[in-house]
Amino acid sequence: DPKIIQKPKYLVAVTGSEKILICEQYLGHNAMYWYRQSAKKPLEFMFSYSYQKLMDNQTASSRFQPQSSKKNHLDLQITALKPDDSATYFCASSATGGEDTQYFGPGTRLLVL
Amino acid sequence: GDSVTQTEGPVTVSESESLIINCTYSATSIAYPNLFWYVRYPGEGLQLLLKVITAGQKGSSRGFEATYNKETTSFHLQKASVQESDSAVYYCALGDQNNYAQGLTFGLGTRVSVFP
Repeated sequence: DPKIIQKPKYLVAVTGSEKILICEQYLGHNAMYWYRQSAKKPLEFMFSYSYQKLMDNQTASSRFQPQSSKKNHLDLQITALKPDDSATYFCASSATGGEDTQYFGPGTRLLVL
Repeated sequence: GDSVTQTEGPVTVSESESLIINCTYSATSIAYPNLFWYVRYPGEGLQLLLKVITAGQKGSSRGFEATYNKETTSFHLQKASVQESDSAVYYCALGDQNNYAQGLTFGLGTRVSVFP
């Protein structure tokens, strides 16, 4: 059974619209993360949450808002979508020790037209 | 800032040949780096291949090995004899042992194709 679920798998959106990317983890972890991978770029860290609180934000734009309704959920709301937001978005989770491994979800591929 | 540079792909090798994917890192803001290799097999998600958190140590998994070399700031991935099932994209990544919340810094990824 998948331990980190991301929904939807694929998403097509219109410029200017708003979408929510869903992430749930069943690993019992207290830290969750969002990363983005655009074409020909490395995975880029966006946010980290620990015990449902924002720990680090490396995303300059306020159009990207994480939402944590439960300890094992970290959704990503993206408003006023732009074509440059087209990317695969990965959710990850880990325990909260410094040496702990991050485990990744399968990703949501977003295309903004 | 912190960065990771790895062998630019695609890399094509024949089955039973050896494979080396180079990875060097720059950890300007991290006193105690963790180093990782992740792999994405076709149609699958990103999964951990191996990690090393102590300089000088070697990690190994599925026949792959990587040694954390602090002097040369390198973490090259090697396998002596590859199989077709090793065809995948390999990512080198850098983390901070003292700050799990900082997130990982990834290399661009190296696509490896193994032919029979």
